Amino acid sequence: GENVEQHPSTLSVQEGDSAVIKCTYSDSASNYFPWYKQELGKRPQLIIDIRSNVGEKKDQRIAVTLNKTAKHFSLHITETQPEDSAVYFCAAGTGGGNKLTFGTGTQLKVEL
Amino acid sequence: NAGVTQTPKFQVLKTGQSMTLQCAQDMNHNSMYWYRQDPGMGLRLIYYSASEGTTDKGEVPNGYNVSRLNKREFSLRLESAAPSQTSVYFCASSAQGGNQPQHFGDGTRLSIL
Repeated sequence: GENVEQHPSTLSVQEGDSAVIKCTYSDSASNYFPWYKQELGKRPQLIIDIRSNVGEKKDQRIAVTLNKTAKHFSLHITETQPEDSAVYFCAAGTGGGNKLTFGTGTQLKVEL
Repeated sequence: NAGVTQTPKFQVLKTGQSMTLQCAQDMNHNSMYWYRQDPGMGLRLIYYSASEGTTDKGEVPNGYNVSRLNKREFSLRLESAAPSQTSVYFCASSAQGGNQPQHFGDGTRLSIL
């Protein structure tokens, strides 16, 4: 089955700096890559997703890049703010039944 | 719209007891999912239902059963709870077709003593 690895497990940045979280996947058939943000005690919420027919997608301060050849994708957050502090999960899916395999999460802390 | 609603929010069980976690969505989604979340292990798929009338095993199905009661509702049952099943359980749903975003409920925090 699919295996998704996510790094780093914790990330601390200063407010205003950029943050980058990286994920690799194993199944070359995967073609859907969402990112979720989870605040403490809350539900995971989708923040951005990318499909395999594009290499990059941007939404305001958030961007995701995909390298299908290398089987890795990354989340970029620019101009970080304290409210960006949360756990971020990447995932990979192969369409069809719409099953997702999640990474183990990155705890992002934005310090003032 | 409430989105995905899970009940109960919290539950404490004794080893060997049984329990059904309830999930309902009001987004007219065809697909529904049950995940468990443990510290340091992300979200792991227990069972999913691609459409009404179908269910399939995910990554960690042992010790669980599911029922897709109708298009709106998807329940998860623990027949004989074990301490290893202490976790936070999330239900999610998505529209039909591949590569559709999954929307999560607020979770059920389950402790088994």
